[in-house]
Amino acid sequence: GENVEQHPSTLSVQEGDSAVIKCTYSDSASNYFPWYKQELGKRPQLIIDIRSNVGEKKDQRIAVTLNKTAKHFSLHITETQPEDSAVYFCAAHSGGGADGLTFGKGTHLIIQP
Amino acid sequence: DAGVIQSPRHEVTEMGQEVTLRCKPISGHNSLFWYRQTMMRGLELLIYFNNNVPIDDSGMPEDRFSAKMPNASFSTLKIQPSEPRDSAVYFCASSLIGGGNQPQHFGDGTRLSIL
Repeated sequence: GENVEQHPSTLSVQEGDSAVIKCTYSDSASNYFPWYKQELGKRPQLIIDIRSNVGEKKDQRIAVTLNKTAKHFSLHITETQPEDSAVYFCAAHSGGGADGLTFGKGTHLIIQP
Repeated sequence: DAGVIQSPRHEVTEMGQEVTLRCKPISGHNSLFWYRQTMMRGLELLIYFNNNVPIDDSGMPEDRFSAKMPNASFSTLKIQPSEPRDSAVYFCASSLIGGGNQPQHFGDGTRLSIL
């Protein structure tokens, strides 16, 4: 089955700086890669996703890049703000018959004022 | 629009008791997923349904866990008998059917504590 590795586990950046979170996946058939943001005690919320026929997608301060050859994808947050502090999860869906997502272990992003 | 609705939000019970978690998916969504979140293992898929039919239950930890979806607007996850290691946050998510590459939307979860 699919295996997703996520790094770093904790990331601390100064407010206004950029943050980058990286994930690798194992199944070359994977074709859908969402990113979720989870605040303490809350549900995971989808913030951006990318499909395997696209190399990059941007939504305001958030962007995701995908390198299918290397089997890795990254989340980029620019001009970080205090409300960006949360745990971020990457996930991958394999192109096989199963519909569930395999999640990375999460990155705790801390925005320092 | 109402999102995915889960109940109860919190459940505390003694080991050996039966626990039933409930989920109402977003109206119009025809895929429903149950996930479990713990510090040690992260977010894990337990089971999912397409059009009320269980498709993949390979993530269900053992026979003590069972899930049903009697209609398009309701699903249950049952643990009987419960054990302390079942303590976790259980999330339900729903999406449109799309081979798994449709956005999944999560409910607020049920925080389960087994004493």
